[in-house]
Amino acid sequence: GAVVSQHPSWVICKSGTSVKIECRSLDFQATTMFWYRQFPKQSLMLMATSNEGSKATYEQGVEKDKFLINHASLTLSTLTVTSAHPEDSSFYICSARDSTGQGLSPTYGYTFGSGTRLTVV
Amino acid sequence: DQQVKQNSPSLSVQEGRISILNCDYTNSMFDYFLWYKKYPAEGPTFLISISSIKDKNEDGRFTVFLNKSAKHLSLHIVPSQPGDSAVYFCAARGFGNEKLTFGTGTRLTIIP
Repeated sequence: GAVVSQHPSWVICKSGTSVKIECRSLDFQATTMFWYRQFPKQSLMLMATSNEGSKATYEQGVEKDKFLINHASLTLSTLTVTSAHPEDSSFYICSARDSTGQGLSPTYGYTFGSGTRLTVV
Repeated sequence: DQQVKQNSPSLSVQEGRISILNCDYTNSMFDYFLWYKKYPAEGPTFLISISSIKDKNEDGRFTVFLNKSAKHLSLHIVPSQPGDSAVYFCAARGFGNEKLTFGTGTRLTIIP
C-alpha cells in the first residue's frame, strides 16, 4: 500500500515553455501533498505544501506565479513550471500524506513519488 | 540556515561491518525524525523513524538512536550489505507541523 505515482519521470523542454508534472496517490487519499526540488548533490528543498481544494502554501523564496500548484482532488496534485528557464532544471519530487496522518502506513504517512528530472534547454 | 545537518557527505564501509550515519539538528521543536534511502533519479524510500519521546527504535538491520540533549541522531546498519549503497537522508518534523526538513545527505558505499 501507500504508492505515489509521479509522471513524467523525465522531460526536456525549450526555454520559455511550460511543463506540467503530475503526482497521484494510487491507493490512499492524500489531503496534503508536498513538492520538493533537489539540485545535484544537495538536499531536498521543500517548495510548497498543497491541501486538497485550497491554495498551496509556498516556502520563502519560491515564486508562486512561476511554480503553479493545483491540488484539485484527494488523489492528484500537479506542479506546472511556467516559462521555464535553464536555471529551473532540477529534480522535482512530490510527497503525499495520507488523510489519517496517524502513521498507519509503514512510511509514517509520507510517501514519495519517483521524481521528475526536468531539463530546460 | 540548515536546521538539519549531516556532516559527513560520504562514508565507505566494508561489507558485513556496521555503518553509522549521523545527523544533527538545531530546532528543539522537532518531534519526529525519519531516515530515507535514495538512489539517483528516484524518490526517497522510507527506512525507519523515531519519536522524540524515545531514544531508540529498531527494525531488522536498522536501528535509529536519538540523543535529544545533544540534538543528535544516528542510523546504524548492521551487517552492511552491498545493496545498502545509496544516499541517506535524515528528516525532521516539527510538533504540529506536517512539513519535513531534510538533511544534506550522506553517500554510503559498501565495499564488497
